Amino acid sequence: EPEVTQTPSHQVTQMGQEVILRCVPISNHLYFYWYRQILGQKVEFLVSFYNNEISEKSEIFDDQFSVERPDGSNFTLKIRSTKLEDSAMYFCASSAGGVYYGYTFGSGTRLTVV
Amino acid sequence: QKEVEQNSGPLSVPEGAIASLNCTYSDRGSQSFFWYRQYSGKSPELIMFIYSNGDKEDGRFTAQLNKASQYVSLLIRDSQPSDSATYLCAVLRIIQGAQKLVFGQGTRLTINP
Repeated sequence: EPEVTQTPSHQVTQMGQEVILRCVPISNHLYFYWYRQILGQKVEFLVSFYNNEISEKSEIFDDQFSVERPDGSNFTLKIRSTKLEDSAMYFCASSAGGVYYGYTFGSGTRLTVV
Repeated sequence: QKEVEQNSGPLSVPEGAIASLNCTYSDRGSQSFFWYRQYSGKSPELIMFIYSNGDKEDGRFTAQLNKASQYVSLLIRDSQPSDSATYLCAVLRIIQGAQKLVFGQGTRLTINP
């Protein structure tokens, strides 16, 4: 069964450092997403991406965040200057689009900012 | 008002019984509704989706939708200890062509052997 692949599975970084989280969505999917989940809290939308541009972003997705699809397969989330409160599980998801398709989530990257 | 609301639980059900999970949503124009299962430390896994009023069955799972009451539920029959997880209700929200899944806070379900 096709899957969404995320790397790394766990990243520890110092406050103020830049991190890049990587994702390989399902190959025939057109819509890509990043969500995050702070420990014990709900899954929160960060950003959606379609046709090489951001479709929508949440209030969380401020100027410190950026997304990119540098080639035909990878989808990345960059956090320019990490803060302690960025510590969370980050999930990449992809979808074929349409109202009747759910999203397939990757296994997540646990980001710990120290 | 939260867009998607679930009772956070925990909900405790004996093995073999029916587990009933509920969800309400605020946007009356929502079209599609999804149930995900999330084991501790893992990613959400899609169980079912529903978009028409009424019931939809898949194995031991039944999703129910009542758009007039803005209410979605998930029934798990013959509950097994492996069903112990957090169940996330999600609603597909579309604004100006951009779509996203909005999640509730999840209901933690424990099946007791």
